[in-house]
Amino acid sequence: GAVVSQHPSRVICKSGTSVKIECRSLDFQATTMFWYRQFPKQSLMLMATSNEGSKATYEQGVEKDKFLINHASLTLSTLTVTSAHPEDSSFYICSAIAGGPQFFGPGTRLTVL
Amino acid sequence: AQKITQTQPGMFVQEKEAVTLDCTYDTSDPSYGLFWYKQPSSGEMIFLIYQGSYDQQNATEGRYSLNFQKARKSANLVISASQLGDSAMYFCAMRGPNTGNQFYFGTGTSLTVIP
Repeated sequence: GAVVSQHPSRVICKSGTSVKIECRSLDFQATTMFWYRQFPKQSLMLMATSNEGSKATYEQGVEKDKFLINHASLTLSTLTVTSAHPEDSSFYICSAIAGGPQFFGPGTRLTVL
Repeated sequence: AQKITQTQPGMFVQEKEAVTLDCTYDTSDPSYGLFWYKQPSSGEMIFLIYQGSYDQQNATEGRYSLNFQKARKSANLVISASQLGDSAMYFCAMRGPNTGNQFYFGTGTSLTVIP
């Protein structure tokens, strides 16, 4: 299947700092990527749909000013968690559609101290 | 509205036995796709199998098969000859023509394979 990479895999930061997570489609072009958040033992919660060359579409309840998404090219989308707080600690996972299925990155575990 | 239901929060299966993970869905779209993903403890989501709503035959991929019963709106995953490495969370998902490429995920089933 298609390969999606995500970097970093794990990040620990201090409260108030910003963290950028990169999501790359390695062997295909992705006009649309998705960003999810997952709490322990729960399902994936869609945060936003990232569209290449246009603004992201955020799900209800997700603060667009806090979770900045940039989809600058057909192979790269970035999620920036601005002014992170401990409640932002979570597992963030991106995906891209290649053909029918969504293919997922390996995820980023964010811990905000 | 699209909806995916997985009613089994946890399942146990003996190694080498088969196991069925349940998934039901609700949609008014005639065209849709159903997917199963595996999420081991490492966290990555691994695509397992896909079934299209117009597919006449049940999808199969190695030890995975999808028991698709359209009239009952169910898409159960069958894993044959379970292996210890099959222990993971399993998510059922659906995509429809009116979801804007968005997938709807179930709450997941935690499968434990017992040696």
